[in-house]
Amino acid sequence: DTAVSQTPKYLVTQMGNDKSIKCEQNLGHDTMYWYKQDSKKFLKIMFSYNNKELIINETVPNRFSPKSPDKAHLNLHINSLELGDSAVYFCASSRSGPFEKLFFGSGTQLSVL
Amino acid sequence: EDKVVQSPLSLVVHEGDTVTLNCSYEVTNFRSLLWYKQEKKAPTFLFMLTSSGIEKKSGRLSSILDKKELFSILNITATQTGDSAVYLCAVPDSNSGYALNFGKGTSLLVTP
Repeated sequence: DTAVSQTPKYLVTQMGNDKSIKCEQNLGHDTMYWYKQDSKKFLKIMFSYNNKELIINETVPNRFSPKSPDKAHLNLHINSLELGDSAVYFCASSRSGPFEKLFFGSGTQLSVL
Repeated sequence: EDKVVQSPLSLVVHEGDTVTLNCSYEVTNFRSLLWYKQEKKAPTFLFMLTSSGIEKKSGRLSSILDKKELFSILNITATQTGDSAVYLCAVPDSNSGYALNFGKGTSLLVTP
C-alpha cells in the first residue's frame, strides 16, 4: 500500500485553465504539506496543514488554494494556470508536531502550455 | 531567514569510489538536520541528526553533524551505480518547525 499517494502523476494543460491535484496518506499522520520542485530540483514549501488547520502559507499566489477535508487528505487547486506554474508538486506528511521527518508522495509533474 | 547550502552541486565518480557531500546551515533555532535521497520520484528519508559528533550509519552511507561549525557531511563508501541520485539536506523551519527548508541538493552520478 502506498503511504502517501497523489493523483494525477502527470498533468498537461493550457494556460488559463483550472486544475486540482489530490493527495491522500494512510499513515495516520496529523500533518500534511505541499512542496513545489522547480526545474533546478529546488524543493520549496508551499502549505502545511496540521489536523486540517492551516499552519504554513508561504508566499504563494492566491491562485493556489489548498483544501483539507480531513487529516488524511490535502488537495491543491490551482486557478488560471500560468507557464511559471510548471513544476513537480509533491505532497508529504509527518507524524504529529513539528520537527518530524517527512514522507513524500511520488509527485505530480505539471506542464502548462 | 534559515539558510541551507549544499556542496558540491554535482559530482561524477566511478563505481567503488568514496564520496563526501557537504551541507552547511544557518538557522535561528536549530533542532535537527535531515538527509534525503531523490532518485526519479519522491525524496526518501536517509538520516535525521540532532546531536553533534554522533555518526548515523546505514550500510555504506553514514552522516555526522557538527553543531559548533554548523555543518553536516554525508559519506558514501564503495559507491554503486544505484547511488546515483540527488541528495538533499534540510532543516526544520525555525519559526514553525512544521516545514523543512531544503538545500539545492547535490546531484551524484556514479559511472560503471
